This record gives sequence, C-alpha cells and structure tokens, in this order.
Amino acid sequence: DAKTTQPPSMDCAEGRAANLPCNHSTISGNEYVYWYRQIHSQGPQYIIHGLKNNETNEMASLIITEDRKSSTLILPHATLRDTAVYYCIVRVRHYGGATNKLIFGTGTLLAVQP
Amino acid sequence: DTGVSQNPRHKITKRGQNVTFRCDPISEHNRLYWYRQTLGQGPEFLTYFQNEAQLEKSRLLSDRFSAERPKGSFSTLEIQRTEQGDSAMYLCASSSQRDVDTEAFFGQGTRLTVV
Repeated sequence: DAKTTQPPSMDCAEGRAANLPCNHSTISGNEYVYWYRQIHSQGPQYIIHGLKNNETNEMASLIITEDRKSSTLILPHATLRDTAVYYCIVRVRHYGGATNKLIFGTGTLLAVQP
Repeated sequence: DTGVSQNPRHKITKRGQNVTFRCDPISEHNRLYWYRQTLGQGPEFLTYFQNEAQLEKSRLLSDRFSAERPKGSFSTLEIQRTEQGDSAMYLCASSSQRDVDTEAFFGQGTRLTVV
C-alpha cells in the first residue's frame, strides 16, 4: 500500500473550515484514499473515503487532485470536538477473504482553538 | 450501544504475567481486526479474522501473542509472559464483508500497562 505524508500538526479557529492535506504521490490506480480520526483515548473513527471523485458526507468533504497524488480533507465548520489526530490512508479495497487492514501513519494533530 | 466493545478498558499487570483481552464486534460483522498502538504512533495491524478463520498475522505478533475467534463472534487476544514493551493500547475493529462500503469500526481499546 502507498505511503502518505501529512503535516504533524495544524491549528484551526472554531467555526472556520479546517483543511487537512495529504500527499500520496505513489498511489496506484486501484488504491482508495481513506480518512480516519482519533480523538484522545478513543479508537479511530471512519470519516470518508474516495477513489478519484470528490466526496462529501455529513462529517466532511474529500477533495482529490486530478492526478490523485494528493488530497485534502475539509471540515467545513470546525468545533472543539473536532480536535483529534487525523489519519490519511491509501489502500486497495479487497474483496472476498483478503484483508482490508489499515496501515496508519502518524497523522495530523488538529487543534481547534476557541 | 451496538458498537465494538472491548474489555477490560484498562489492565495493569506485572512483567511475566499472562493477560487476555476480549473484543465483541458489531453483531453482523464477520471481519475482525486487532491493532496495537503505542504513544505518539498510529495503530499497527496485528491480525485479521474472517469469521473464525485467522487469515493474516503481522510479524509484530510474536510467539507470546495468540488470538482466537472460536465461533466467529467475539475474539480474545492473549499475551503470555508480558514484557514492558507490550505496554500499549490494544484496539479491536470489525467490518462486514457483505457490504463492501462498510468500513472498519473500532472499539475504545484496552490500555495495557506492564510494570
């Protein structure tokens, strides 16, 4: 699975959009981009995933560049409860019995400031 | 709450003792994963079950570690002869094979401290 590069930390003002970048320059054509987050002392939480089109759900938006070498997770109106470590993961989605394990990096610690 | 449940939440043990953790996945999920997380690092994959079959084990899973999922429902992770380096958060996750869009749901984890 391709490796990702994320900034170790970012700050964001409460109520503003948080834009978290991720570089995955070696991504393969069949690899998806996934985002998870981990609030302190909790297990990781799935946020969103995409292949090449931009995606939006109730939590966030995912913008993937046309060459797929980078992506941005957007939290449109960050709140204090969004303070967490955000992980960008790229992997093939396996079907059948093959594992869908996740390979986590060290992520980006997003600190939402009041 | 029908999420992934892990017990105990915290465990303190003396070096050399054996410990066992339990994970109850979401009931309709047939895939189950164990991960380990140390301070400042992301979770690291340990092992994967599909139903009762253990289909993949990481090299991190030394001979002192064993995981089971006897009836394809709950799973246990046992560490024998614990060492201080085993101190970590042990996370369990589950997902469904039937719905390919179902991503992994994680439990709250079991924090192990070996003294």
